[in-house]
Amino acid sequence: GAGVSQSPRYKVAKRGQDVALRCDPISGHVSLFWYQQALGQGPEFLTYFQNEAQLDKSGLPSDRFFAERPEGSVSTLKIQRTQQEDSAVYLCASSFQLADSEVSYEQYFGPGTRLTVT
Amino acid sequence: SQKIEQNSEALNIQEGKTATLTCNYTNYSPAYLQWYRQDPGRGPVFLLLIRENEKEKRKERLKVTFDTTLKQSLFHITASQPADSATYLCAPGNAGNMLTFGGGTRLMVKP
Repeated sequence: GAGVSQSPRYKVAKRGQDVALRCDPISGHVSLFWYQQALGQGPEFLTYFQNEAQLDKSGLPSDRFFAERPEGSVSTLKIQRTQQEDSAVYLCASSFQLADSEVSYEQYFGPGTRLTVT
Repeated sequence: SQKIEQNSEALNIQEGKTATLTCNYTNYSPAYLQWYRQDPGRGPVFLLLIRENEKEKRKERLKVTFDTTLKQSLFHITASQPADSATYLCAPGNAGNMLTFGGGTRLMVKP
């Protein structure tokens, strides 16, 4: 079956431009996560959806970052007025994980979108 | 605040040897810990999950230990192969909550 897909794979934006990054999770996965990964670092949590509800957005670095998952499947991460410090790989992951579950499930990651802000 | 430490220096070993990677955490009491493998240009891939009441878990050539007293997990790859060369990420977590990833350790297995 298909895994998590992300588009575009690469995005170059001029400083000040808005960008939209798309994530198609594995069908049936309730939870969806966005991470930001700087070069040589581990992924850092940005936000989490359970179905269409955004349960945690504590990792979003500023109000220029916005994520949505309106129908509980595809998600979009939008960055407004991009800055050079936004340059990173943006990873999306999906999982069976439920916020109130005591069972832990692995996350399935997409290939990421590499954003370069010039 | 929570801190997860993995050796940021690359680990270079000879093919056939056992690779041991360390994950230490502070200000944290995770109920479980996950290990992932990441190849360049790709997203992380899940390898193993170990719970706080499990001391050790094995999967083929992989072995993970979890010492909640030392606040440490060790990840072992026995009979290492060049194809095992990658970055390995540890991610402690609590049920239902988000994973917090360490910075990863790059493993290089030389033939």
